[in-house]
Amino acid sequence: EPEVTQTPSHQVTQMGQEVILRCVPISNHLYFYWYRQILGQKVEFLVSFYNNEISEKSEIFDDQFSVERPDGSNFTLKIRSTKLEDSAMYFCASSEPGGPHEQYFGPGTRLTVT
Amino acid sequence: QKEVEQDPGPLSVPEGAIVSLNCTYSNSAFQYFMWYRQYSRKGPELLMYTYSSGNKEDGRFTAQVDKSSKYISLFIRDSQPSDSATYLCAMSVWSQKLVFGQGTRLTINP
Repeated sequence: EPEVTQTPSHQVTQMGQEVILRCVPISNHLYFYWYRQILGQKVEFLVSFYNNEISEKSEIFDDQFSVERPDGSNFTLKIRSTKLEDSAMYFCASSEPGGPHEQYFGPGTRLTVT
Repeated sequence: QKEVEQDPGPLSVPEGAIVSLNCTYSNSAFQYFMWYRQYSRKGPELLMYTYSSGNKEDGRFTAQVDKSSKYISLFIRDSQPSDSATYLCAMSVWSQKLVFGQGTRLTINP
């Protein structure tokens, strides 16, 4: 069964450093998303991406965040200058063209900012 | 008022029981309603989705949506220890952004 994969599973970085989180969405999916989940809190939407551009973003997704689809299979989230409060699980998701609400999630990357 | 509210539990029931999980919401524009299951330190796994009001059944799982009451439910029949997980409701308007509930931690005791 096709699945969304994410790397690395755990990333530790120092405050102020740049990190790139990587995702490989399901191959025939055209919508891509990033969500985050701070420990003990709700899963929160960050951004959606379609046709090589951001289609929707939340107020969390400020100028320190960016997304990119550098090739036909990868989808990345970059955090330019990490803060302590960026520590969270980051989930990538993807969905088919006809069903943006049927989103399939990856296993997540745990980001720890020290 | 929170956009989506879900009792975090924990909820503990014996094996074989019928489990009822619920969410309420405030945004009447929500059209799509999803239930996800999340095991510890894993990503959410899509269980079911429903468009607008009504019921949907898939094996031991039944999802119900009552838009007039802004209330959704997930029922699990013949619950198994493997059903022990956190259950998340999620909703969307006709857009890509899913709004999640807090999640209910469920334990099925053998």
